[in-house]
Amino acid sequence: DAKTTQPNSMESNEEEPVHLPCNHSTISGTDYIHWYRQLPSQGPEYVIHGLTSNVNNRMASLAIAEDRKSSTLILHRATLRDAAVYYCILPNYGGSQGNLIFGKGTKLSVKP
Amino acid sequence: GAVVSQHPSWVICKSGTSVKIECRSLDFQATTMFWYRQFPKQSLMLMATSNEGSKATYEQGVEKDKFLINHASLTLSTLTVTSAHPEDSSFYICSAIFLARLAGNNEQFFGPGTRLTVL
Repeated sequence: DAKTTQPNSMESNEEEPVHLPCNHSTISGTDYIHWYRQLPSQGPEYVIHGLTSNVNNRMASLAIAEDRKSSTLILHRATLRDAAVYYCILPNYGGSQGNLIFGKGTKLSVKP
Repeated sequence: GAVVSQHPSWVICKSGTSVKIECRSLDFQATTMFWYRQFPKQSLMLMATSNEGSKATYEQGVEKDKFLINHASLTLSTLTVTSAHPEDSSFYICSAIFLARLAGNNEQFFGPGTRLTVL
């Protein structure tokens, strides 16, 4: 399964944009890029996913590099509630029924 | 959005007892549910994949006789930790996928987790 690399931690100020990077140099042509986040003491929460084109939803935007070897999750205006661990995942759908393999993720801290 | 619930949210039990955790998809049907375990300050680790009406598929290193999984309906999967010991204390999380053809663009919906403490 394709692996991802993320910084261990990042800091942001409240109401400022945050760009969370993810490298996935071994991505295959059919791998979707998923982002989930986990707030303290809670189950993970789906954020966004994409294949080739940039994607936007009410929570965030996903910018995918043209060669698809990296992507960036963009929170346009960070709030204190966005403090969480963010996981960039390429779902292992190839014969493995869609399970998600979680790496260490990026712990985002948001300062007021 | 789709909602997945877990019950109980936390449980404390004595060593040697068994504990059952329920995972329900409240507003959708899920042919596939997953069970994860998370130790403090660590990431989620997939334990098993649960398919409705069939036996669960366990990840390497997970004892299937210790962690019994039953997926009797399209909205309910249960995880039973048998003869629990202190080292089984962890945060157990389930997730579910919509009743649909599995594809790379299907998001998973996670439950809020169950914190198990074995004394």
